[in-house]
Amino acid sequence: AQSVSQHNHHVILSEAASLELGCNYSYGGTVNLFWYVQYPGQHLQLLLKYFSGDPLVKGIKGFEAEFIKSKFSFNLRKPSVQWSDTAEYFCAARGFNTDKLIFGTGTRLQVFP
Amino acid sequence: DVKVTQSSRYLVKRTGEKVFLECVQDMDHENMFWYRQDPGLGLRLIYFSYDVKMKEKGDIPEGYSVSREKKERFSLILESASTNQTSMYLCASSSPGARLDTQYFGPGTRLTVL
Repeated sequence: AQSVSQHNHHVILSEAASLELGCNYSYGGTVNLFWYVQYPGQHLQLLLKYFSGDPLVKGIKGFEAEFIKSKFSFNLRKPSVQWSDTAEYFCAARGFNTDKLIFGTGTRLQVFP
Repeated sequence: DVKVTQSSRYLVKRTGEKVFLECVQDMDHENMFWYRQDPGLGLRLIYFSYDVKMKEKGDIPEGYSVSREKKERFSLILESASTNQTSMYLCASSSPGARLDTQYFGPGTRLTVL
C-alpha cells in the first residue's frame, strides 16, 4: 500500500541548531514529493517539491530536501533554524498518474530562542 | 494567487445535527478535496471531486457526504454529527493538467461536536 512515514513526531531545538526531519515513502513507480508547513494559526502551505531532475531541491525560507531514491527518502533540512520556524511540517507523496496526495503524520517543530 | 476559502474558521455543533462545511476556490480548478487533520494522524482524505457532480471516496468517507454543484464550490456534509467527528477540516484544490503543481489549501474549519 502507498504510504508516507515521518518518524520524528516532535522535535525541540534551540535557535541556530541544524534541522533534519525524516520522510520515507512507499510507492510503486514514479512519485512526486512535497513538504508542507503549517505555522500556528495559519493554513497549510507548500515549502518545496520534487518532481524530477536534481535530487536536491531548495524551498522557501532556507529549507532544502534531498530525494534519495535508493532509500525511498525525502528528508527536510535547514542548517540553522530560527524561532519563526516553529510549525508543523508534513511530508506528502503523489503518484505520477494521480492527483491525490498521501500525507505523513506530521512533525511538530518547536524552536526556542 | 490561488485563493481557497472556507465558510467558517470555528464551528460548534451538537451530536445529531446536520453540518455543512463550504469551500470555494477562485482559480477554476477541476479538482477539489476535503481532508480532516487530527494530531498524530496527519491529513486524511475524506472525499475528492474531479469535476462538477463527480466525486470519489477517499480513505475515510464514513459518516460524510459531499456535493459539487458548481466548479468553484465543494461542500462537505455531516449527515448526523458525532463527537468523533470533532476535528480540523481542510479543503484544497488543484488543476489536474498542471503536473508540476500541487494542491492549494484553505485556512481550515475547526469543528467541535458536543
